[in-house]
Amino acid sequence: DIQMTQSPPSLSASVGDRVIITCQASQDISYYLHWYQQKPGKAPKLLIYDASNLETGVPSRFSGSGSGTDFTFTISSLQPEDTATYYCQQYDNHPPERTFGPGTKVEI
Amino acid sequence: QVQLVQSGAEVKKPGASVRVSCKASGYTFTDHFIHWIRQAPGQGPEWLGSINPNPAASVATATDYAQKFRDRVTMTSDTSVKTAYMELRSLTSDDTAVYYCAEEGGPQKGYAFHLWGQGTMVIVS
Repeated sequence: DIQMTQSPPSLSASVGDRVIITCQASQDISYYLHWYQQKPGKAPKLLIYDASNLETGVPSRFSGSGSGTDFTFTISSLQPEDTATYYCQQYDNHPPERTFGPGTKVEI
Repeated sequence: QVQLVQSGAEVKKPGASVRVSCKASGYTFTDHFIHWIRQAPGQGPEWLGSINPNPAASVATATDYAQKFRDRVTMTSDTSVKTAYMELRSLTSDDTAVYYCAEEGGPQKGYAFHLWGQGTMVIVS
């Protein structure tokens, strides 16, 4: 099974700050990596798919990069509404497998 | 309106089974896989498996289950009511979690979960 790690587990930043979250896979997953935002009591929301593609309607301050085993998620200018937990998720179709990272809690 | 609406909260005894439903609206139900993901209190999401609701899919390939749940989960769908179901058997307290259904966007969306249900709380006690 592919294991996912994220760092940091949590962070506190100020409005306007640049925030960077990293996600590492235990083996090469190419670009098969997505990023989700989850607010308390709500379902996760897709922000980035295939490592770097912005989901429709998601603000452009969110971005992603990376391939292979190392990935980065960036919020270019943190806003109050970005307070949430962020998860990376890998996927494999052979055999089908989906694994989430442990999450990064972002606070302001 | 494109949405997935799940059934209400459940409280079950250890050893019992639970069945959660997920009704789709606003899109062609048979076009996209439905996945089931759960989230225990304070934990990250955990994938249980998926179902292809297209009736043309063979029985052998319509579902995929995570190894951990393979012996006690069953996922089905009813295209006449555009609803997917997830049954989990032999419940223990470790199964206490919010259970989500999610629509997979297909290859053009990187097989990501781009539409989620509101979640169903299952308490085993």
